[in-house]
Amino acid sequence: DIQMTQSPSTLSASVGDRVTINCRASQSIGSWLAWYQYKPGKAPNLLIYKASSLENGVPSRFSGSGSGTDFTLTISSLQPDDFATYYCQQYKSSSRTFGQGTKVEIK
Amino acid sequence: QVHLQESGPGLAKPSETLSLTCTVSGYSISSGNYWAWIRQSPGKGLEWLASIYYTGSTYYSPSLKSRITMSVDTSKNQFSLNLSSVTAADTAIYYCARERQSCSSLSCPFGPWGQGILVTVSS
Repeated sequence: DIQMTQSPSTLSASVGDRVTINCRASQSIGSWLAWYQYKPGKAPNLLIYKASSLENGVPSRFSGSGSGTDFTLTISSLQPDDFATYYCQQYKSSSRTFGQGTKVEIK
Repeated sequence: QVHLQESGPGLAKPSETLSLTCTVSGYSISSGNYWAWIRQSPGKGLEWLASIYYTGSTYYSPSLKSRITMSVDTSKNQFSLNLSSVTAADTAIYYCARERQSCSSLSCPFGPWGQGILVTVSS
Protein backbone atom coordinates (compact mmCIF):
# COMPACT_ATOMS: atom_id res chain seq x y z
CA ASP A 1 0.00 0.00 0.00
CA ILE A 2 1.03 3.58 -0.60
CA GLN A 3 0.96 5.39 2.74
CA MET A 4 -0.18 9.01 2.87
CA THR A 5 0.97 11.25 5.74
CA GLN A 6 -0.55 14.66 6.38
CA SER A 7 0.78 17.50 8.51
CA PRO A 8 -0.17 19.09 10.73
CA SER A 9 -2.91 16.96 12.29
CA THR A 10 -4.61 20.05 13.66
CA LEU A 11 -4.26 23.64 12.63
CA SER A 12 -5.66 26.69 14.46
CA ALA A 13 -6.30 29.70 12.27
CA SER A 14 -8.38 32.85 12.00
CA VAL A 15 -10.69 34.06 9.28
CA GLY A 16 -8.59 35.68 6.58
CA ASP A 17 -5.47 33.63 7.31
CA ARG A 18 -3.53 31.83 4.61
CA VAL A 19 -3.54 28.13 5.46
CA THR A 20 -1.25 25.40 4.15
CA ILE A 21 -1.73 21.66 4.61
CA ASN A 22 0.91 19.16 3.60
CA CYS A 23 0.61 15.62 2.32
CA ARG A 24 3.46 13.19 1.70
CA ALA A 25 3.27 9.86 -0.13
CA SER A 26 5.47 6.90 0.79
CA GLN A 27 6.41 6.53 -2.89
CA SER A 28 6.01 8.60 -6.00
CA ILE A 29 2.41 9.00 -7.13
CA GLY A 30 3.01 11.48 -9.95
CA SER A 31 0.13 13.93 -9.81
CA TRP A 32 -2.51 11.36 -8.89
CA LEU A 33 -3.64 13.14 -5.75
CA ALA A 34 -6.99 14.50 -4.62
CA TRP A 35 -8.03 16.72 -1.71
CA TYR A 36 -11.38 16.53 0.07
CA GLN A 37 -13.19 18.68 2.62
CA TYR A 38 -15.07 16.84 5.33
CA LYS A 39 -17.64 18.21 7.76
CA PRO A 40 -19.41 15.96 10.29
CA GLY A 41 -22.85 14.90 9.11
CA LYS A 42 -22.15 15.89 5.52
CA ALA A 43 -20.88 14.09 2.46
CA PRO A 44 -17.16 14.65 1.87
CA ASN A 45 -16.53 17.10 -0.95
CA LEU A 46 -13.89 16.79 -3.68
CA LEU A 47 -11.90 20.03 -3.87
CA ILE A 48 -8.82 19.29 -5.97
CA TYR A 49 -7.88 16.44 -8.31
CA LYS A 50 -4.73 15.64 -10.23
CA ALA A 51 -2.83 17.56 -7.53
CA SER A 52 -3.73 21.03 -8.76
CA SER A 53 -7.00 20.94 -10.76
CA LEU A 54 -9.86 22.75 -9.07
CA GLU A 55 -13.13 20.86 -9.03
CA ASN A 56 -16.10 22.66 -10.61
CA GLY A 57 -17.87 24.92 -8.14
CA VAL A 58 -15.02 25.00 -5.61
CA PRO A 59 -13.96 28.55 -4.62
CA SER A 60 -10.73 29.78 -6.16
CA ARG A 61 -9.22 30.44 -2.71
CA PHE A 62 -8.47 26.70 -2.69
CA SER A 63 -5.41 25.57 -4.60
CA GLY A 64 -3.21 22.51 -4.77
CA SER A 65 0.38 21.95 -5.77
CA GLY A 66 3.09 19.33 -5.82
CA SER A 67 4.04 16.13 -7.60
CA GLY A 68 5.90 12.94 -6.86
CA THR A 69 5.76 12.53 -3.09
CA ASP A 70 5.08 16.01 -1.68
CA PHE A 71 1.86 17.93 -2.04
CA THR A 72 0.21 21.01 -0.57
CA LEU A 73 -3.32 22.31 -0.20
CA THR A 74 -3.52 26.07 0.29
CA ILE A 75 -6.49 28.18 1.33
CA SER A 76 -5.54 31.72 0.43
CA SER A 77 -7.94 33.50 2.78
CA LEU A 78 -9.73 31.30 5.28
CA GLN A 79 -13.51 31.77 5.39
CA PRO A 80 -15.94 30.72 8.14
CA ASP A 81 -17.25 27.89 5.95
CA ASP A 82 -13.74 26.44 5.62
CA PHE A 83 -13.41 25.20 9.20
CA ALA A 84 -13.44 21.47 8.53
CA THR A 85 -11.18 18.44 8.19
CA TYR A 86 -9.19 18.02 4.99
CA TYR A 87 -7.97 14.74 3.54
CA CYS A 88 -5.57 13.92 0.77
CA GLN A 89 -6.00 10.71 -1.24
CA GLN A 90 -3.76 8.98 -3.75
CA TYR A 91 -5.25 7.27 -6.76
CA LYS A 92 -2.12 6.08 -8.52
CA SER A 93 -2.61 2.61 -7.10
CA SER A 94 -5.63 0.32 -7.37
CA SER A 95 -5.48 0.26 -3.57
CA ARG A 96 -6.76 3.77 -2.86
CA THR A 97 -5.47 5.37 0.35
CA PHE A 98 -6.20 8.53 2.34
CA GLY A 99 -4.10 10.63 4.63
CA GLN A 100 -5.12 10.74 8.27
CA GLY A 101 -6.70 14.18 7.93
CA THR A 102 -5.96 17.75 9.03
CA LYS A 103 -8.52 19.52 11.17
CA VAL A 104 -8.70 23.27 10.65
CA GLU A 105 -9.98 24.87 13.85
CA ILE A 106 -10.96 28.40 14.81
CA LYS A 107 -8.15 30.17 16.63
CA GLN B 1 -27.84 15.30 -10.92
CA VAL B 2 -26.17 12.24 -9.46
CA HIS B 3 -27.40 11.23 -6.04
CA LEU B 4 -26.20 8.33 -3.88
CA GLN B 5 -28.06 7.02 -0.85
CA GLU B 6 -26.84 4.41 1.60
CA SER B 7 -29.26 2.05 3.31
CA GLY B 8 -29.03 -0.82 5.74
CA PRO B 9 -29.24 -1.64 9.43
CA GLY B 10 -27.76 0.87 11.84
CA LEU B 11 -26.86 -1.84 14.32
CA ALA B 12 -24.98 -5.09 13.90
CA LYS B 13 -23.96 -7.70 16.44
CA PRO B 14 -20.36 -8.87 16.80
CA SER B 15 -19.44 -11.77 14.50
CA GLU B 16 -22.39 -11.05 12.18
CA THR B 17 -22.24 -9.93 8.56
CA LEU B 18 -22.97 -6.28 7.87
CA SER B 19 -24.86 -5.62 4.63
CA LEU B 20 -25.25 -2.17 3.12
CA THR B 21 -26.74 -1.00 -0.18
CA CYS B 22 -26.12 2.16 -2.16
CA THR B 23 -28.86 3.33 -4.51
CA VAL B 24 -27.77 5.61 -7.34
CA SER B 25 -30.21 8.03 -8.96
CA GLY B 26 -29.80 10.49 -11.80
CA TYR B 27 -27.01 8.44 -13.39
CA SER B 28 -26.64 4.94 -14.78
CA ILE B 29 -24.44 2.68 -12.74
CA SER B 30 -23.41 1.09 -16.06
CA SER B 31 -21.92 4.33 -17.40
CA GLY B 32 -18.32 3.22 -16.98
CA ASN B 33 -17.38 4.32 -13.47
CA TYR B 34 -16.14 2.37 -10.50
CA TRP B 35 -18.34 2.60 -7.39
CA ALA B 36 -16.85 2.59 -3.92
CA TRP B 37 -17.39 2.14 -0.20
CA ILE B 38 -15.44 4.28 2.25
CA ARG B 39 -15.82 4.54 6.01
CA GLN B 40 -14.87 6.79 8.87
CA SER B 41 -14.47 5.21 12.29
CA PRO B 42 -14.87 7.34 15.45
CA GLY B 43 -11.80 9.48 15.94
CA LYS B 44 -10.17 8.13 12.80
CA GLY B 45 -9.79 9.25 9.23
CA LEU B 46 -11.33 8.08 5.99
CA GLU B 47 -10.65 4.49 4.96
CA TRP B 48 -11.29 3.13 1.49
CA LEU B 49 -12.85 -0.33 1.65
CA ALA B 50 -13.64 -1.52 -1.84
CA SER B 51 -14.60 -0.54 -5.39
CA ILE B 52 -16.64 -2.29 -8.08
CA TYR B 53 -17.23 -1.84 -11.81
CA TYR B 54 -20.68 -2.47 -13.32
CA THR B 55 -19.34 -5.69 -14.84
CA GLY B 56 -18.58 -6.96 -11.33
CA SER B 57 -14.83 -6.40 -11.38
CA THR B 58 -13.68 -5.52 -7.87
CA TYR B 59 -10.82 -4.08 -5.88
CA TYR B 60 -10.66 -4.65 -2.13
CA SER B 61 -8.60 -3.06 0.62
CA PRO B 62 -5.77 -5.51 1.44
CA SER B 63 -6.46 -5.14 5.17
CA LEU B 64 -10.12 -6.16 4.80
CA LYS B 65 -9.98 -8.39 1.74
CA SER B 66 -10.77 -11.58 3.65
CA ARG B 67 -14.01 -10.12 5.06
CA ILE B 68 -15.39 -7.97 2.23
CA THR B 69 -17.61 -8.74 -0.72
CA MET B 70 -19.06 -6.15 -3.09
CA SER B 71 -21.77 -6.77 -5.66
CA VAL B 72 -23.67 -4.72 -8.22
CA ASP B 73 -27.26 -4.89 -9.46
CA THR B 74 -27.53 -2.90 -12.67
CA SER B 75 -31.28 -3.54 -12.98
CA LYS B 76 -31.83 -1.68 -9.70
CA ASN B 77 -28.97 0.78 -10.19
CA GLN B 78 -27.53 -0.32 -6.86
CA PHE B 79 -24.34 -1.74 -5.45
CA SER B 80 -23.78 -3.43 -2.11
CA LEU B 81 -21.23 -4.21 0.56
CA ASN B 82 -21.03 -7.26 2.77
CA LEU B 83 -18.58 -7.16 5.67
CA SER B 84 -18.33 -10.38 7.62
CA SER B 85 -17.27 -11.17 11.19
CA VAL B 86 -17.75 -7.62 12.37
CA THR B 87 -16.33 -6.33 15.63
CA ALA B 88 -16.60 -3.06 17.52
CA ALA B 89 -13.70 -1.81 15.38
CA ASP B 90 -16.07 -1.83 12.39
CA THR B 91 -18.30 0.79 14.02
CA ALA B 92 -18.19 3.69 11.59
CA ILE B 93 -20.02 5.96 9.22
CA TYR B 94 -20.11 4.14 5.89
CA TYR B 95 -20.17 6.18 2.69
CA CYS B 96 -20.77 5.11 -0.87
CA ALA B 97 -19.25 7.15 -3.67
CA ARG B 98 -18.76 7.28 -7.41
CA GLU B 99 -15.28 7.22 -8.84
CA ARG B 100 -14.58 9.56 -11.70
CA GLN B 101 -13.97 8.17 -15.18
CA SER B 102 -11.01 8.23 -17.50
CA CYS B 103 -8.34 9.31 -15.05
CA SER B 104 -5.42 7.72 -16.92
CA SER B 105 -4.50 6.08 -13.63
CA LEU B 106 -5.38 2.80 -11.95
CA SER B 107 -8.13 4.51 -9.98
CA CYS B 108 -9.89 7.85 -9.80
CA PRO B 109 -10.98 10.45 -7.27
CA PHE B 110 -14.30 10.03 -5.50
CA GLY B 111 -17.24 12.28 -6.26
CA PRO B 112 -20.03 12.62 -5.46
CA TRP B 113 -20.52 10.84 -2.15
CA GLY B 114 -23.62 9.76 -0.28
CA GLN B 115 -24.52 11.32 3.05
CA GLY B 116 -23.32 8.26 4.93
CA ILE B 117 -24.92 5.75 7.28
CA LEU B 118 -23.83 5.19 10.86
CA VAL B 119 -23.35 1.53 11.70
CA THR B 120 -22.74 0.53 15.30
CA VAL B 121 -21.44 -2.93 16.17
CA SER B 122 -22.65 -3.89 19.61
CA SER B 123 -24.26 -6.83 21.36
